[in-house]
Amino acid sequence: SQQGEEDPQALSIQEGENATMNCSYKTSINNLQWYRQNSGRGLVHLILIRSNEREKHSGRLRVTLDTSKKSSSLLITASRAADTASYFCATGLIQGAQKLVFGQGTRLTINP
Amino acid sequence: EAGVTQSPTHLIKTRGQQATLRCSPISGHTSVYWYQQALGLGLQFLLWYDEGEERNRGNFPPRFSGRQFPNYSSELNVNALELEDSALYLCASTLTLVSGNTIYFGEGSWLTVV
Repeated sequence: SQQGEEDPQALSIQEGENATMNCSYKTSINNLQWYRQNSGRGLVHLILIRSNEREKHSGRLRVTLDTSKKSSSLLITASRAADTASYFCATGLIQGAQKLVFGQGTRLTINP
Repeated sequence: EAGVTQSPTHLIKTRGQQATLRCSPISGHTSVYWYQQALGLGLQFLLWYDEGEERNRGNFPPRFSGRQFPNYSSELNVNALELEDSALYLCASTLTLVSGNTIYFGEGSWLTVV
């Protein structure tokens, strides 16, 4: 099964509202990365948060990490139509060879 | 600075044929990853190369193979194509073998098997 699981699977909000997506994982990690994917295109890296960090900001993005609950959240404030995309969390594992394990993603739709 | 580049953008093959996809990592990156994303699904890890060596492999049959060249570019080969191999194949690169570095993705190669 996937290491990272995003929740919700789909989210539809009005432009200007805030969007929150959650990610849960199962095993110990050393970092967690969030990506955006526009339909049929490659992944754009948004934020990397390390296991010893609790919160990180980048522009309108805010990521939190709770290693005790094995969960992370991505908050997009003041959403725009251009934010419409799928968002994935990916965990960098401590054990085993380095690779990112992705969840199924959250499909975010921003309605004008 | 150029990002991760992949070619071709689109490829159409017939069942049973072979497909070769290519990837050039960001300059200075030595690690290259390959992922498969079937339509509407998440990303499945295929292969990881670093310094010319295969470091890890996902749960895919042996007909999925690849290699990394001395200039750190990489190619993914898929033999005996099956219809379910139709997917977006994404290449990614990062600095060194040390974990915790940001991994950057290319735009992907769409493979359609008919």
